[in-house]
Amino acid sequence: QQPVQSPQAVILREGEDAVINCSSSKALYSVHWYRQKHGEAPVFLMILLKGGEQKGHEKISASFNEKKQQSSLYLTASQLSYSGTYFCGTETVDSWGKLQFGAGTQVVVTP
Amino acid sequence: EAGVTQSPTHLIKTRGQQATLRCSPISGHTSVYWYQQALGLGLQFLLWYDEGEERNRGNFPPRFSGRQFPNYSSELNVNALELEDSALYLCASSLAGQGARETQYFGPGTRLLVL
Repeated sequence: QQPVQSPQAVILREGEDAVINCSSSKALYSVHWYRQKHGEAPVFLMILLKGGEQKGHEKISASFNEKKQQSSLYLTASQLSYSGTYFCGTETVDSWGKLQFGAGTQVVVTP
Repeated sequence: EAGVTQSPTHLIKTRGQQATLRCSPISGHTSVYWYQQALGLGLQFLLWYDEGEERNRGNFPPRFSGRQFPNYSSELNVNALELEDSALYLCASSLAGQGARETQYFGPGTRLLVL
């Protein structure tokens, strides 16, 4: 089942912070975060695994609450380059290897 | 190091025809994933191949099929094309298939247009 992302869209000024949330109705093995700019392929940001392991870019932070089946991506001191659509992808415990992506959160960072 | 490559970049077909899309993974990656992204929508999981075997598939009809070759490259075939198959088809690769516990790196995609 597709995870639910919120908010659908957010507009930020440079330097502001934002949080993007991703929630699942099922227990999760992993959560993946990607950013996609218009006309381009999704770019990997972070992967969070059941058990606490995380892999990702140093400047990106995220959390994974296994009990609540939720993940959050934190955009801190946003830059113009952070603009794009952010997708979370989730792998549930009953669907090994199958990443279900949320509908995306559109982020616009303005000068 | 070369990233994931896909060919062709664009493909135009008519309804009822067949389309073949190709993907070459990052060197050393054995898992290949296929996704469909319709215009303005999120990514829909299509297929996962690892070590030449289909490991999982999404909720798509059987006319969507594929295979993975001994060199780990992959092919996605879409038979009896329908107008709603028009979309960007993305391929991703990862290290040895531990489900989705490895980072998936995406290729640039093939944009399929069905007329």
